[in-house]
Amino acid sequence: DTGVSQNPRHKITKRGQNVTFRCDPISEHNRLYWYRQTLGQGPEFLTYFQNEAQLEKSRLLSDRFSAERPKGSFSTLEIQRTEQGDSAMYLCASRLNRGPYNEQFFGPGTRLTVL
Amino acid sequence: DAKTTQPNSMESNEEEPVHLPCNHSTISGTDYIHWYRQLPSQGPEYVIHGLTSNVNNRMASLAIAEDRKSSTLILHRATLRDAAVYYCILWEGKTSGSRLTFGEGTQLTVNP
Repeated sequence: DTGVSQNPRHKITKRGQNVTFRCDPISEHNRLYWYRQTLGQGPEFLTYFQNEAQLEKSRLLSDRFSAERPKGSFSTLEIQRTEQGDSAMYLCASRLNRGPYNEQFFGPGTRLTVL
Repeated sequence: DAKTTQPNSMESNEEEPVHLPCNHSTISGTDYIHWYRQLPSQGPEYVIHGLTSNVNNRMASLAIAEDRKSSTLILHRATLRDAAVYYCILWEGKTSGSRLTFGEGTQLTVNP
């Protein structure tokens, strides 16, 4: 399977705990994106990387959120001191930055539940 | 980002054509119209994009109004597998960065 993979698929945690999610993009894709999606809403952009450089961060990405893509391949998204409002689906996507269009390939997501 | 307006929900019957509308009256000349869909319990997937001319691919057709203030995604023969949320998204690229700005989309129900 050469699609985008995300782990874990589900995470249940208690408020105040830290969690980390992993995304493995399609191997030749140089851009990697993180989105968050709550029930009934479309995905909301959080941040994106071009290779290992984090080029854009949304205002939604509070200080408790940090993302890395250390070698320009996989990426991690960490949430510190989780709050109940962080409960959502976290989606990762990747694309090859080529052409005047924006075809992003999404993973299946990690569903976070904060108790 | 320019805003799009879509109906909250639509219904179709299997094997019939489906026309999903999108209004984008504030579209700029350099905005590309993208459509994504999200099947239940999956991440979104790209469907099609266009700038000015109508476009066809193996999944769907995109009809763009002459003034570009609206567009229609056409599924020629709906199947049960096409039941999903369909998002119409404008993307300019150079000034809007690389993000996709999703709205709430249209929930398409396909009846057998």
